[in-house]
Amino acid sequence: EPEVTQTPSHQVTQMGQEVILRCVPISNHLYFYWYRQILGQKVEFLVSFYNNEISEKSEIFDDQFSVERPDGSNFTLKIRSTKLEDSAMYFCASSETGSTGNTIYFGEGSWLTVV
Amino acid sequence: KQEVTQIPAALSVPEGENLVLNCSFTDSAIYNLQWFRQDPGKGLTSLLLIQSSQREQTSGRLNASLDKSSGRSTLYIAASQPGDSATYLCAVSRNKNRDDKIIFGKGTRLHILP
Repeated sequence: EPEVTQTPSHQVTQMGQEVILRCVPISNHLYFYWYRQILGQKVEFLVSFYNNEISEKSEIFDDQFSVERPDGSNFTLKIRSTKLEDSAMYFCASSETGSTGNTIYFGEGSWLTVV
Repeated sequence: KQEVTQIPAALSVPEGENLVLNCSFTDSAIYNLQWFRQDPGKGLTSLLLIQSSQREQTSGRLNASLDKSSGRSTLYIAASQPGDSATYLCAVSRNKNRDDKIIFGKGTRLHILP
């Protein structure tokens, strides 16, 4: 079964450093998302991406965050200057027709620890 | 603002029992509702997707129902097994654009006792 893959599975970084989390969505999907889950809390929406641009972003997704689809397969989340409160599991997701259509498929997550 | 609540937060039941997990949402203008499973430290696996026009969906031992007008959904697990132990998340999609976000509840941690 096709799956969303994410790298790295776990990254430890110092506060203030830049981090790039990588994702390979399912190949025929057109809608891409990043969500995050702080330990013990709800899964929260960060950003959705369609047709090579951000279609919606949450309040969490401030100027420190950016997303990019540099080629036909990868979808990245960059955090420019990490803060302690950015420590979380970051999930990439993709969907064929958007969240109001078919199922959204999530990756296994990238656990980011900021020290 | 849409809020999704799941009750109970945690549940332990003996193996073999049937059980029900509950989900409620404050804004009934949803497009669909999904139930996910999350194993500790792992990603989210979609179990069932119910469109707003549907009342239930079934997959194996799982049955999810949706009462959109009252803002409720249930996930019924029949003949529970230790392998069902996980956190179960409910999430709703708003009735808006096709590329809209989904909003999650905090989940129910389920532990099936062998």
